[in-house]
Amino acid sequence: AQSVTQLGSHVSVSEGALVLLRCNYSSSVPPYLFWYVQYPNQGLQLLLKYTSAATLVKGINGFEAEFKKSETSFHLTKPSAHMSDAAEYFCAVSDADRGSTLGRLYFGRGTQLTVWP
Amino acid sequence: EAEVAQSPRYKITEKSQAVAFWCDPISGHATLYWYRQILGQGPELLVQFQDESVVDDSQLPKDRFSAERLKGVDSTLKIQPAELGDSAMYLCASSFKTGTGGHEQYFGPGTRLTVT
Repeated sequence: AQSVTQLGSHVSVSEGALVLLRCNYSSSVPPYLFWYVQYPNQGLQLLLKYTSAATLVKGINGFEAEFKKSETSFHLTKPSAHMSDAAEYFCAVSDADRGSTLGRLYFGRGTQLTVWP
Repeated sequence: EAEVAQSPRYKITEKSQAVAFWCDPISGHATLYWYRQILGQGPELLVQFQDESVVDDSQLPKDRFSAERLKGVDSTLKIQPAELGDSAMYLCASSFKTGTGGHEQYFGPGTRLTVT
C-alpha cells in the first residue's frame, strides 16, 4: 500500500533562508512522487515530480527535491525563501504501474510554510 | 494555458439538501478524478473515471454520493442528502500519460462546500 508522511505540519523560515520540507513515502511498487503547492482557496499546482529519470528533480519557482531510495524520502528544498512561497505544500505518491495511465495519488497531510520578512 | 474548470467555486447548503458540483477537464485528458479535502488535511480520492467508466470508487460514500461522466468529457458529483460532515473542498483533476511516465494530475480551483 502507498502512503506519505510529511514531518512537521508547520514550518517557518525567514525570507532568504533555506526551505526544507520533509516527506517520507511507503510504496509497494517503484514510486512516482510529486510535490504540489496550494494557495488559500485554490486548487493544487504541481511543483515537481519524480519518475526515475533522475534522483534530483528541479521544479518551478526554484524548488527541487531529491529522491533517496535508501531513506524512502523525497524532501523538498529551496535555497532562498521568498514571501510568495508562503503556502501549503503536499507530497504525494502514485500507485500507477509503469506504463499505465491509471493510478491514484496518495497525499500527505500537508506542511504549511510561513515566510517571515 | 488549458485549465480544469469547476463550478461553483463556493456553495452553502443546508443539511439534508441536495448539492451538485461540475467539472470540465483539460481537453484530451481521458482520466478524471474527484477528491475531497477536509480542512487541514490532504486531498483524498473519491472517484476516478477513465473516459466515461468508473475505475475506482472504493472511497465514495455511495449511499449519498454519486458521480457521472456521461460523454467522457465533463463530470458531475452529487451529494444527496448533504450532511454537516460533508463540509470540505471538492477538487477535480485530470491527467494524461506523459512520455516519461508518471502521469501528472492537473487540478481545478475546487468547490468549497459549507453545510449548515
